[in-house]
Amino acid sequence: GAVVSQHPSRVICKSGTSVKIECRSLDFQATTMFWYRQFPKQSLMLMATSNEGSKATYEQGVEKDKFLINHASLTLSTLTVTSAHPEDSSFYICSPDRETQYFGPGTRLLVL
Amino acid sequence: GEDVEQSLFLSVREGDSSVINCTYTDSSSTYLYWYKQEPGAGLQLLTYIFSNMDMKQDQRLTVLLNKKDKHLSLRIADTQTGDSAIYFCAESIRRDDKIIFGKGTRLHILP
Repeated sequence: GAVVSQHPSRVICKSGTSVKIECRSLDFQATTMFWYRQFPKQSLMLMATSNEGSKATYEQGVEKDKFLINHASLTLSTLTVTSAHPEDSSFYICSPDRETQYFGPGTRLLVL
Repeated sequence: GEDVEQSLFLSVREGDSSVINCTYTDSSSTYLYWYKQEPGAGLQLLTYIFSNMDMKQDQRLTVLLNKKDKHLSLRIADTQTGDSAIYFCAESIRRDDKIIFGKGTRLHILP
């Protein structure tokens, strides 16, 4: 069964609103969570690494004030896209740092 | 810098073997992965290989690694319609390090 869940699986929002994406590890504790973004017909790009109880580490070019990451517990990490714009439309995937590389099912965000 | 390249499309007849190729640039890559993404779904790890291996076989899947040429391939024997998906090649230096992905190869199965 699934070991990582994401919610919502799909979201459509208006430009300027904020969207929160939740990533939960179901059967284990994840001290580290990787957040990826996938554009159509492009590869996955690592956005940031969240660490439970501390600040996230962002990859070069990723705006930390726009993509807020919170890893408040060992089973939940959240990514909030603030003031979303159409160019933020993408597929967002989380992956806990584990021996076996599990990925969440992804959240498809469409900003109108 | 880190880069992973793979062709974007591959068409194969059902029953034939599919071979998806990938090249990478980082010579310090230790782990090399193949992921499968079906339409609308997240990634699924198919298999991985350590850089000190040159071949790994798992049922219908065979991974070949040429470390000198930094070339990785995934062979799917007896390709089925359920194999239709996007296949991502990826690499990382350590198991708990970030993963660098290729753009993915879309495998199309012909009847």
